[in-house]
Amino acid sequence: GAGVSQSPSNKVTEKGKDVELRCDPISGHTALYWYRQSLGQGLEFLIYFQGNSAPDKSGLPSDRFSAERTGGSVSTLTIQRTQQEDSAVYLCASSLLAVLGEQFFGPGTRLTVL
Amino acid sequence: QKEVEQDPGPLSVPEGAIVSLNCTYSNSAFQYFMWYRQYSRKGPELLMYTYSSGNKEDGRFTAQVDKSSKYISLFIRDSQPSDSATYLCASNNAGNMLTFGGGTRLMVKP
Repeated sequence: GAGVSQSPSNKVTEKGKDVELRCDPISGHTALYWYRQSLGQGLEFLIYFQGNSAPDKSGLPSDRFSAERTGGSVSTLTIQRTQQEDSAVYLCASSLLAVLGEQFFGPGTRLTVL
Repeated sequence: QKEVEQDPGPLSVPEGAIVSLNCTYSNSAFQYFMWYRQYSRKGPELLMYTYSSGNKEDGRFTAQVDKSSKYISLFIRDSQPSDSATYLCASNNAGNMLTFGGGTRLMVKP
């Protein structure tokens, strides 16, 4: 079956521009997570959506980062006024039910800020 | 100190060897323990998923969790060159985000 999909796979942008990254979770999965993977920092949690509950934004590194999830399915991570330190691979994961724990990851979006 | 610690390697073994990968964690609230395999420029792929202490076997892979010592292990039997990848351990409390170790890079030489 279809897994988690993310687009674009690669994004190159100039410092100061805004970017939007998209995640399509596995159909029927109610929980959706965004992580960031960078050299030296490993995999870091950013934000988590569970059903219609308020998202857990505790991992967002600054107010330049935001995310939304429309209709309980597709999610968009937006980074405003990108900085070079935002360069990383942004990974999305989904889970059938958050309480089950296991999360399935998409291929990621590689963001390069010049 | 990070909540999940993992030796970065690289770990180099000959084909057919038994591989032992390990993590330690500090958060007593962690209940779920996972191992992910990540190939270069790909997303993490869930390999093993266990709840609480005990062993779980799936083919050539065995995951062990010892909550008393906060120790997580993954064993790979009859290792193959295709097992060459970075292995990430991860833990969470139900419903929460995963906390990852830094990953161990494994190389299996033919």
